[in-house]
Amino acid sequence: AQSVTQLDSHVSVSEGTPVLLRCNYSSSYSPSLFWYVQHPNKGLQLLLKYTSAATLVKGINGFEAEFKKSETSFHLTKPSAHMSDAAEYFCVVSDVNAGGTSYGKLTFGQGTILTVHP
Amino acid sequence: DAGITQSPRHKVTETGTPVTLRCHQTENHRYMYWYRQDPGHGLRLIHYSYGVKDTDKGEVSDGYSVSRSKTEDFLLTLESATSSQTSVYFCAISDIPLAGVVDTQYFGPGTRLTVL
Repeated sequence: AQSVTQLDSHVSVSEGTPVLLRCNYSSSYSPSLFWYVQHPNKGLQLLLKYTSAATLVKGINGFEAEFKKSETSFHLTKPSAHMSDAAEYFCVVSDVNAGGTSYGKLTFGQGTILTVHP
Repeated sequence: DAGITQSPRHKVTETGTPVTLRCHQTENHRYMYWYRQDPGHGLRLIHYSYGVKDTDKGEVSDGYSVSRSKTEDFLLTLESATSSQTSVYFCAISDIPLAGVVDTQYFGPGTRLTVL
């Protein structure tokens, strides 16, 4: 079984300061992990994706995330926040089963709302 | 942006009426999914399809049915809408996953459904 916990429901930062959004996951097999962003009244956009290649994954808009198997974490970071980063962020896990196949069923975290102050 | 459209984008209906939401894709992807989004729950999978006429249930499938008669269209039906089905519904698509790899899902713009 797979599950995701986003440790903060709200994060508030000042423009120009670093962003850290925390995510822990549980997975029975080899997980794929994603971060999606959702701006108000919009659909979901993929930020980045981990699929067992490099553990440090770089995404769009300066975001990156590091896969740490020992800590079962996949935290999202950005060195310097911009006003346009204000949105809701979702950490997502998908298991590849023991047979090496997956129908791509995703399990979403509950979301973290990022507020950026001028 | 992936070629995914949802219709209608907004709908208000009354309890007990049937409702059908449509997802249309132009990417020729094999997999299609329906999710609902509610505050504090992220997105939860309702049903998914892994090919024409091939569908399966997700974690919150009660009260919903789906159909897929063509690769490009995936319909979600609420046979008798209830107020608990008030939500934002998202369609997603993905391509055939390689063994050991999960393909990215791309999401449509969403349909806001209100059941009075």
